[in-house]
Amino acid sequence: EVQLVESGGGLVKPGGSLRLSCVASGFTFNTYTMTWVRQAPGKGLEWVSSIRSSGFYIFYADSVRGRFTTSRDNAKNALYLQMHSLRAEDTAVYYCAGQKSDYDEMTFWGQGTVVTVSS
Amino acid sequence: EVVMTQSPATLSVSPGERATLSCRASQSVHSNLAWYQQKPGQAPRLLIYGASTRATDIPARFSGFGSGTDFTLTISSLQSEDFAVYYCQQYDIWPPYTFGQGTKLEIK
Repeated sequence: EVQLVESGGGLVKPGGSLRLSCVASGFTFNTYTMTWVRQAPGKGLEWVSSIRSSGFYIFYADSVRGRFTTSRDNAKNALYLQMHSLRAEDTAVYYCAGQKSDYDEMTFWGQGTVVTVSS
Repeated sequence: EVVMTQSPATLSVSPGERATLSCRASQSVHSNLAWYQQKPGQAPRLLIYGASTRATDIPARFSGFGSGTDFTLTISSLQSEDFAVYYCQQYDIWPPYTFGQGTKLEIK
């Protein structure tokens, strides 16, 4: 059974930092592109970042570039999102998702972790 | 950036009837189009990829059609568990991957 389990969300003040994790099981993690997608309260889905299977190529949405860093540890089947300089508009549920490649659909999704940025 | 526009925003349909949801891309995305279903408090679930291929364990009442800029998702006979929000997403021209704003399918 495929599982993606996110953790690390919480309440943080504006300007603060947070690190999200996503641990995968049930598929060959080191061959998949992994992606972060977020959903603000009551809103739609927004792509945040993707990292290729090797970890050498990483892509970011303009809204987070320079503030967020995506990384992965294939030995641990883990994906990370380091978030700095957080803003109120970063408040969202953050999902990790797995794709067979960059040019494929998001096949697997985690249950999400909630990030709230508020003073 | 490819803008994905879904219509209608809300669709009211009775159980057992057919529902047709639309998604339009601002430029051709070929057949690199996926549909996701999201129920309240849950993560999105992949329904359709490649514009028309059902994902694993997705019932045959779900079907996708289209290529280029115009796509549809049809649910042939609505079951109670089908009432949810549906998103289309293109993965042809990226970054960024882009999603439509969603169509809420509600019980009439």
